[in-house]
Amino acid sequence: DQQVKQNSPSLSVQEGRISILNCDYTNSMFDYFLWYKKYPAEGPTFLISISSIKDKNEDGRFTVFLNKSAKHLSLHIVPSQPGDSAVYFCAASWGIQGAQKLVFGQGTRLTINP
Amino acid sequence: EADIYQTPRYLVIGTGKKITLECSQTMGHDKMYWYQQDPGMELHLIHYSYGVNSTEKGDLSSESTVSRIRTEHFPLTLESARPSHTSQYLCASSEQNYGYTFGSGTRLTVV
Repeated sequence: DQQVKQNSPSLSVQEGRISILNCDYTNSMFDYFLWYKKYPAEGPTFLISISSIKDKNEDGRFTVFLNKSAKHLSLHIVPSQPGDSAVYFCAASWGIQGAQKLVFGQGTRLTINP
Repeated sequence: EADIYQTPRYLVIGTGKKITLECSQTMGHDKMYWYQQDPGMELHLIHYSYGVNSTEKGDLSSESTVSRIRTEHFPLTLESARPSHTSQYLCASSEQNYGYTFGSGTRLTVV
C-alpha cells in the first residue's frame, strides 16, 4: 500500500514558465512534508518542507502548498530554469519512538526545455 | 561539501560474495537510515537506527544487516550477494527535527 503517490512520472516545462509537481498521500498521521531533488548518481538533496499546521511555504523560486482536506501537496517552481531538471521526490514524515521516518513517493522527472 | 559519505560509489560484484557498504557522517546525528531505490521507483526504508547499538528493520524486507557501534558509522552488509540485490543504496542521517541529509549513494550491481 503506497502511502505517498506521485502520479506523474515525468513533466516537461519550458524555461521561464511555472513547473507544478503534485503529490498525494493517504496517511492522515503524516505531520510534515518535504520535497527532495535528485540528480542522477547522487543522493537526494532537501529542497523545501511544510508542516501540517501550514498551508503554504515559500523559499525563493520554490513554493509548497498543502491541502490537508484533499491530502494533496504541490511544489511550484517559478520561473523554471535548466538547472531545475532533476527527479523530484515528495516525502512525508511521522514519528515513531523518536525516529522520524520518511516515506517517499516514486518521484517525478522534471525536464526544463530551453 | 558533503557531511555524509558513502563508499564505494559504484560496485560490481559476483554472486555469492560478501559485501559491506560504508556510510559515515560527521554531523553527530543520532538517527541514521538506509534506503533502497530501484530506477523510477520510490525510496524504500530498509534499516534505521536511533543511536549507538540501536538498529531496526524498515518497511521493506531486506536480506542485508546493519550495525551501529559508533555514532558516525552505519555500515550495511550483504553476506551473500545475489542479482536481486542490484539497486541503489542511499544512506541518510537526521537530528531531532525532520530533515534528512543523504549521502551520494552506492550503485550495486551483482552479476
